[in-house]
Order: sequence, then C-alpha cells, then structure tokens
Amino acid sequence: DGGITQSPKYLFRKEGQNVTLSCEQNLNHDAMYWYRQDPGQGLRLIYYSQIVNDFQKGDIAEGYSVSREKKESFPLTVTSAQKNPTAFYLCASSIVDSPGREQYFGPGTRLTVT
Amino acid sequence: AQKVTQAQTEISVVEKEDVTLDCVYETRDTTYYLFWYKQPPSGELVFLIRRNSFDEQNEISGRYSWNFQKSTSSFNFTITASQVVDSAVYFCALSEVGSSNTGKLIFGQGTTLQVKP
Repeated sequence: DGGITQSPKYLFRKEGQNVTLSCEQNLNHDAMYWYRQDPGQGLRLIYYSQIVNDFQKGDIAEGYSVSREKKESFPLTVTSAQKNPTAFYLCASSIVDSPGREQYFGPGTRLTVT
Repeated sequence: AQKVTQAQTEISVVEKEDVTLDCVYETRDTTYYLFWYKQPPSGELVFLIRRNSFDEQNEISGRYSWNFQKSTSSFNFTITASQVVDSAVYFCALSEVGSSNTGKLIFGQGTTLQVKP
C-alpha cells in the first residue's frame, strides 16, 4: 500500500539532545513537508522540499534541520537550539505538477523532551 | 497576508444532529485553493475536500457538504445527521498559487467536534 510512514510514534528525549524524526513515502511524490502541531493550534510549517537535494525554511524553522538525499525520505532533526521541542510532528507529501495539490499526511510522531 | 480563522474551538452535539464548522480566510491572491482535513484521535490528517477560488459551487458528499462564498471569504463545512465516528479535529486550510507554487498550506486553528451518542 502506498503511504507515508513516520517512526517512531512516540519519542522521549532529554533536554539538550538532538533527535531525528523519520519520514518515508512510497507515493512517488516530489514534494515533502514537515509540520508542527501544538495543543489547540493549527499546523505550522517547519521545512519543505520540492525536489531532492533542495529544501526551504517554513514559518518556524529555527532550531530544526532537514535533509533530502532521496526522493522517498525527508528526516527532520530537532536540535538542542529548539527552545520548546515538545510537540506533535507531522510529515506530508504531494505532487508538484499541479496547483492546489492536496497533501497526504503520515501518522505523526509525538516528541516529549524533559 | 494569508490567514485562516476557525472561530469555533470546540463543538459538542448529540448524534444525528446537524453541525456546521465555520472557516473564514484572508488572501490577496485571486487564485487560491481551500481545503478541509479531518484529524481523528489517531493523529493522521485525512484529506476531505479541495476547492479552487473560481469554483463557488457547493459540494455534497454523502453526509458532508461544503458552502464556499467568496463574498464573505468563507468555506463552511456541514455534517448532516452526525455520528460518533465524526468526532475529530477538523482543519480548514488555504493554499495560494503564486509564481513559486510551493503548495504551502496555511491552516486554521482547528475545531474539535465531539459527537455524543
């Protein structure tokens, strides 16, 4: 089945540690996105990539980093510079050929930093 | 600037009631797309509908219907005869189609719908 996988579902880290969240898709989509969701808030865009080896900052990129070495994979690293990293992280993908394309989402990773 | 507002934070209804979720957007573009997503307790967002700015026809899909009115910049979502399985967080989102065509989505804050048996 085609889809997006994110692992792990739950992640716990100590403050000061970097942590990498995995996102893999087999939909053959060129574009991939990372969002952060906090309680009672909508999704906010962290980073996005429309093609391999290229990515752009979203609205809240500070304290995060990404790579896009393969079309299928778009890992997100939450660095120790991120002041409030505890949140629910969602990865998404889409085609790029047409405007207004919908994004398909993974199941998310809930990160807790203590 | 682009903005999506879902003024209803939480709505609680009893099964079989109709419920309308409001969505108001702001954009300076003439070409844009509007979306509704459902987020069940599992967390994954599920795409429900996309509407472009040139198509103001209302749409119905089973118990779901959407009312798009450019005059009031609204894209409201109605669930008829609600069911417990409709309980979820619902997000409205906006995508502008400019020269960059990044496909970026601007989300509203979400409305939590609770349908009680």
